[in-house]
Amino acid sequence: SQQGEEDPQALSIQEGENATMNCSYKTSINNLQWYRQNSGRGLVHLILIRSNEREKHSGRLRVTLDTSKKSSSLLITASRAADTASYFCAIQETSGSRLTFGEGTQLTVNP
Amino acid sequence: SAVISQKPSRDICQRGTSLTIQCQVDSQVTMMFWYRQQPGQSLTLIATANQGSEATYESGFVIDKFPISRPNLTFSTLTVSNMSPEDSSIYLCSVGGTGRREAFFGQGTRLTVV
Repeated sequence: SQQGEEDPQALSIQEGENATMNCSYKTSINNLQWYRQNSGRGLVHLILIRSNEREKHSGRLRVTLDTSKKSSSLLITASRAADTASYFCAIQETSGSRLTFGEGTQLTVNP
Repeated sequence: SAVISQKPSRDICQRGTSLTIQCQVDSQVTMMFWYRQQPGQSLTLIATANQGSEATYESGFVIDKFPISRPNLTFSTLTVSNMSPEDSSIYLCSVGGTGRREAFFGQGTRLTVV
């Protein structure tokens, strides 16, 4: 399977702490994307990082990509209770055009 | 960007019946995607819907069970037919996510089959 694998499956932290989620994949990629899903609703795009990029920032989000290790991480700094959600990575393979989603990390931020 | 209106947002259905889910996009798009998300799991692509042609189904999904319509470039429906409790899932429509762009999702339909 080319599906991304995420860890941890679940993460519980206190408000103000940082949250780090990891995604690993098996094939070459065009880009890797991170999405957020609140309570089983639609997914919302957070950030896209291309295969030739190593790091991107967006507000409190920081994404890194290591193509040699076929892995990516999403860091949420200074977390808030409102960050509680499921986070999914999705890869777009070089040879194809569809997104393949990882298993997701359920993040709980306790007030 | 794209705004997708998906309905119904949730439904509870009797086994053996069918449910049709609708997705309306605020702009014309070539491809629309339908996903299933079983409880606590990731998204699995059901099919890709192209306007003017038959939908392309992924392995494990068949047209008789999940017929799809795509009458124009802004609208699509997915029907879940002859439902069983195993069909209880969240169903999501999506556009984009091809090329080097992000995907946009509808709000999802939470289906419970009893």
